[in-house]
Amino acid sequence: DAGITQSPRHKVTETGTPVTLRCHQTENHRYMYWYRQDPGHGLRLIHYSYGVKDTDKGEVSDGYSVSRSKTEDFLLTLESATSSQTSVYFCAISVGHSYEQYFGPGTRLTVT
Amino acid sequence: KNEVEQSPQNLTAQEGEFITINCSYSVGISALHWLQQHPGGGIVSLFMLSSGKKKHGRLIATINIQEKHSSLHITASHPRDSAVYICASYRSGSRLTFGEGTQLTVNP
Repeated sequence: DAGITQSPRHKVTETGTPVTLRCHQTENHRYMYWYRQDPGHGLRLIHYSYGVKDTDKGEVSDGYSVSRSKTEDFLLTLESATSSQTSVYFCAISVGHSYEQYFGPGTRLTVT
Repeated sequence: KNEVEQSPQNLTAQEGEFITINCSYSVGISALHWLQQHPGGGIVSLFMLSSGKKKHGRLIATINIQEKHSSLHITASHPRDSAVYICASYRSGSRLTFGEGTQLTVNP
């Protein structure tokens, strides 16, 4: 257990509404990641952070933004949710960038 | 072609069987990561290896850097091993690239 929690764990929202998912860690790891997981695809990186206020885009970042104002929290925001963003979202941490990663429990998001 | 390919996509075994899951990657890497995703959805790190072999309990992971290939073996499989097994490649200065996973079902 790497001390990672995600909230909410499940959410149903309507198209066009903003949504924020939270990832919280208790061990002050520098690197944090947001992934989405969809059938037929492996885990795909949305955004990652390498420190407070330091973030960068992943391979599927369109439609998503992130913020990291504290070491322990990494927020993922869908400014205007679309049905294509229905997915399971995982947060992860690593001790070094892309070294062995440890995952949170996931958030299942449904956009109707 | 995906950068990381796993085979088979689905695998069904009887309890007690020896299981092998394969992972091939197309570019040189620094390390390979094996993960397990439980039926409930949680993802657990199993191994991170850059050469040779690692063992943890009934799980063994091997990697051949020259052949760009890694295998995950499960000895004396058990129904509780039923899960999705995911490999991911890591290149220095880059990020993890994940395979699509192998769904393993072990029947009693």
